[in-house]
Amino acid sequence: AQSVAQPEDQVNVAEGNPLTVKCTYSVSGNPYLFWYVQYPNRGLQFLLKYITGDNLVKGSYGFEAEFNKSQTSFHLKKPSALVSDSALYFCAVRDLIRDDKIIFGKGTRLHILP
Amino acid sequence: DAGVTQSPTHLIKTRGQQVTLRCSPKSGHDTVSWYQQALGQGPQFIFQYYEEEERQRGNFPDRFSGHQFPNYSSELNVNALLLGDSALYLCASSLGTGTGQPQHFGDGTRLSIL
Repeated sequence: AQSVAQPEDQVNVAEGNPLTVKCTYSVSGNPYLFWYVQYPNRGLQFLLKYITGDNLVKGSYGFEAEFNKSQTSFHLKKPSALVSDSALYFCAVRDLIRDDKIIFGKGTRLHILP
Repeated sequence: DAGVTQSPTHLIKTRGQQVTLRCSPKSGHDTVSWYQQALGQGPQFIFQYYEEEERQRGNFPDRFSGHQFPNYSSELNVNALLLGDSALYLCASSLGTGTGQPQHFGDGTRLSIL
């Protein structure tokens, strides 16, 4: 069965520093991977996706993610963090071959320190 | 271009009651998925509707049911409410199934069970 793991409940980064939010996945077929962000009392906003192609995916708000098939990881990154990046981040995997369900990780709270 | 809209925003019910939540998909989208997000958790997939039929279902009891209308809008019904049903219920829409396209989320309905 497909699954997603976000090993860190919270990540603290100083403003201006690079940030990484970790995600590992397990899926039987080819993975379709997504990152979403959630602000307080709001729904999830799509950041970026990996389906095929270049392992480095660029998304919204300066975020990018690196797909690593051998390590089954899809870490979210940003070169220079902003205070406004503080939010809850979710990694998700979708197995289009087996079914079309999306499985979300439990989320990582990103706290950018001014 | 309206995004995904959900109603109501907040709802308070008591145990044993029944509730109906509503969702209008983003313009141009024909597929609706419902998720339950408990406090501090990632969204859990409930079910997905496409062409007015339930296409996929997560691990939720039959108390959770849904419907999709010809205009692609959808309802989530929950019967015999339990305290554990308290959560944020998210609706997401997309175009087609099995396409790998990202889902767009509404801001959710906060359901509280007393």
